[in-house]
Amino acid sequence: EVQLVESGGNLVQPGGSLRLSCAASTFTFSSYEMNWVRQAPGKGLEWVSYISSSNGLTYYADSVRGRFTISRDNAKKSLYLQMNSLRAEDTAVYYCVRRAWKQEWDVFDIWGQGTVVSVSS
Amino acid sequence: SSELTQDPAVSVALGQTVSITCQGHSLRSYSASWYQQKPGQAPLLVIFGKNKRPSGIPDRFSASSSGNTASLTITGAQAEDEADYYCHSRDSTGNLYVFGSGTKVTVI
Repeated sequence: EVQLVESGGNLVQPGGSLRLSCAASTFTFSSYEMNWVRQAPGKGLEWVSYISSSNGLTYYADSVRGRFTISRDNAKKSLYLQMNSLRAEDTAVYYCVRRAWKQEWDVFDIWGQGTVVSVSS
Repeated sequence: SSELTQDPAVSVALGQTVSITCQGHSLRSYSASWYQQKPGQAPLLVIFGKNKRPSGIPDRFSASSSGNTASLTITGAQAEDEADYYCHSRDSTGNLYVFGSGTKVTVI
């Protein structure tokens, strides 16, 4: 079964840092572009960041640019999100998500179960 | 604020048809995909491209688009279709992604 498993979520104080990890299994991780998507309590989905499959191209939502860094290790089949200068509004479930695409469509086809980040003093 | 606008909530009688719309300028250039999310679960892709469904998604789910509006239709809604539905596409720059604000579908 194609699977993504996140870890690293925790309770952290405002201004603190946290690193999320996502382990991929049963698919060729190095062939896929990956994303992080988050969902604050009772709110909708918010795309956070994207990373290309191999050349390190990254994109960020305005809300996290300059504070968060996405990275990957294809040899370890793992995706990461380094989160610095955390704020209360970063409190959310963070999902690791695989992108699949062809010329006529572009989708997030596989989602992890999510890991919870709480930012509070 | 989201660049993709959805109605907050709709209701549908069991077995009837309901359509959810998603409006945004970027939909003139990029196709939308739709995700179903039930409480406590991760989102699930239900429709993408020109009305394509992933394996295991019932054919009562369909999609269409025109201009700046994408639509998801559930024909013959079932109790298990009660969930939040989100549209998803590129933003107006084409480099970033955006989700709609979500529509809560209640089956009565």
